[in-house]
Amino acid sequence: DTGVSQNPRHKITKRGQNVTFRCDPISEHNRLYWYRQTLGQGPEFLTYFQNEAQLEKSRLLSDRFSAERPKGSFSTLEIQRTEQGDSAMYLCASSLETTVTEAFFGQGTRLTVV
Amino acid sequence: GQNIDQPTEMTATEGAIVQINCTYQTSGFNGLFWYQQHAGEAPTFLSYNVLDGLEEKGRFSSFLSRSKGYSYLLLKELQMKDSASYLCASYNQAGTALIFGKGATLSVSS
Repeated sequence: DTGVSQNPRHKITKRGQNVTFRCDPISEHNRLYWYRQTLGQGPEFLTYFQNEAQLEKSRLLSDRFSAERPKGSFSTLEIQRTEQGDSAMYLCASSLETTVTEAFFGQGTRLTVV
Repeated sequence: GQNIDQPTEMTATEGAIVQINCTYQTSGFNGLFWYQQHAGEAPTFLSYNVLDGLEEKGRFSSFLSRSKGYSYLLLKELQMKDSASYLCASYNQAGTALIFGKGATLSVSS
């Protein structure tokens, strides 16, 4: 296993279009997180899955955003009706199911909305 | 609630020592993480402190004081490749979200 994998690495879309990103976590990791990061800021938490259950959602996750992890393995993050303010790096991370442990990040998907 | 504060920018020269501070306020404390992030790349884990004191790992050391809500990352023998953003993070009380500070951008010059 080479780590957390995200694709695409880059996505340019027109305002109003829908986009979907995929994250493949490290295989034995039960926990999966999505973050958004803009220039000069730290990663902002969006949502958390434990296996297939979405257990935590940030207020940043508007109703245009939806995330799934149908079989408890890979996850998708969809943004509907994209806006220019959605332009950011979308990071996925995974971790083992222990009380507290470090999260391992993927390379991210950079979204540009034009 | 949770709040994590870090300086935004720091500069240092090759071979020097730099200390990057982090202050935090959390509802329930589960330990303090430090991550390194080079421009355009993913954050990578550096260290984790849950007990007070200094943890040394090669050129990098991390310190925690739970009573003061304070941590620092100490980088010794700085190299150009250490130019990066250094992120301080802690889990929320439920342990379901790792919350990050804005990161301190370190620039190392020759």
